[in-house]
Amino acid sequence: EVQLVESGGVVVQPGGSLRLSCAASGFIFDDYAMHWVRQVPGKGLEWVSLISWDDSIIYYADSVKGRFTISRDNSKDSLYLQMNSLTTADTAFYYCAKAARTYSNFRNWFDPWGQGTLVTVSS
Amino acid sequence: SYVLTQPPSVSVAPGETARITCEGYKIGGKSVHWYQQKAGQAPVLVVYDDDYRPAGVPERFSGSNSGNTATLTVTRVEAGDEADYHCQVWDNSSDHPVFGGGSKLTVL
Repeated sequence: EVQLVESGGVVVQPGGSLRLSCAASGFIFDDYAMHWVRQVPGKGLEWVSLISWDDSIIYYADSVKGRFTISRDNSKDSLYLQMNSLTTADTAFYYCAKAARTYSNFRNWFDPWGQGTLVTVSS
Repeated sequence: SYVLTQPPSVSVAPGETARITCEGYKIGGKSVHWYQQKAGQAPVLVVYDDDYRPAGVPERFSGSNSGNTATLTVTRVEAGDEADYHCQVWDNSSDHPVFGGGSKLTVL
């Protein structure tokens, strides 16, 4: 069974930093691009970042560019999101999601998603 | 950037047909994917590439896409279908995925 499990969500003060992790299992992690998507409680989904299977392609939403860094460790089947200079607008559930198809064929849909981890930015 | 517009809410009685729209400029030229998100849960894929269902998704869920509108249709709606539904496409100009704002399906 393909499974994604996020961790690392906590309450952090504005201006603070946080690192989220996503542990993958049930598929060949090395073969797939991975995404982070966030959702303010009660609101819609917002794509945050993408990393290709081999790190050669990394994209960010404008709202997080320059503050967030996506990375992966294929030896540990893990995806990460380093979040710096956090603001209250970053308060959200953060989901990791797997690209549907392998290698460079990642411009499609997300399946599956993790259960999400809640990041709260508050003083 | 590319914008997808969904109605905030759709309400239907049990057994009826729900149609949830997703509007975008020439969306008919793109592949549209739909996710179901029940309260307190993560999104789950229910339709991909306009009108394909993943294994395990009931045949009651179907999709269509033409012109400036994509539609997710749920026939014989059940109480368990009550959820938020999100459409998504890949925006080739920005090379990023884009989501609609989500539609809450209420079963009366």
